[in-house]
Amino acid sequence: GENVEQHPSTLSVQEGDSAVIKCTYSDSASNYFPWYKQELGKGPQLIIDIRSNVGEKKDQRIAVTLNKTAKHFSLHITETQPEDSAVYFCASHNAGNMLTFGGGTRLMVKP
Amino acid sequence: SAVISQKPSRDICQRGTSLTIQCQVDSQVTMMFWYRQQPGQSLTLIATANQGSEATYESGFVIDKFPISRPNLTFSTLTVSNMSPEDSSIYLCSVVLRGGRKADTQYFGPGTRLTVL
Repeated sequence: GENVEQHPSTLSVQEGDSAVIKCTYSDSASNYFPWYKQELGKGPQLIIDIRSNVGEKKDQRIAVTLNKTAKHFSLHITETQPEDSAVYFCASHNAGNMLTFGGGTRLMVKP
Repeated sequence: SAVISQKPSRDICQRGTSLTIQCQVDSQVTMMFWYRQQPGQSLTLIATANQGSEATYESGFVIDKFPISRPNLTFSTLTVSNMSPEDSSIYLCSVVLRGGRKADTQYFGPGTRLTVL
């Protein structure tokens, strides 16, 4: 089955700096890669996603890149703000319609 | 997206009892899933809730422990049976919207935080 590794598990940055979270996946048939943000006491919220026919996607301060050959994808947050503090999960979706999640990254943005 | 509600939002239960969690969506959906998130951990798929038929369970989860119903397109329940402290987790439902631009995008409910004493 699919295996998704996510690094780092915790990330602390100063407000205004950039944050990068990286994930690798094992199933070359995976074709859709969403990122979720989970704030304390809430359910995961979809913040951005990318499909296997695209190498990069950007939405304001958030961008995701995908390297299909290397089977890894990354989340980039620029100009971080304290409200970006949360746990971020990457996921991989395969043809079986299942999402496999990474272990999560706790991002702390210090004001 | 859609509005997904779960009831209860949290509960504290005694071991040996059962709790039924409800998930209601304000839009028609194609697929509904139930996940478990143990404290400080990632999300693990319990099962796919199938409308009008038995749910499809992932390895390590069985119907006797986690019976699931889905009587229509917008509602599902998950029961955690004969609970033990190891069942203390957040239980999340997620949906794939019918007619959505993306057929595989999952949206999550707010979760039910369960503590078993």
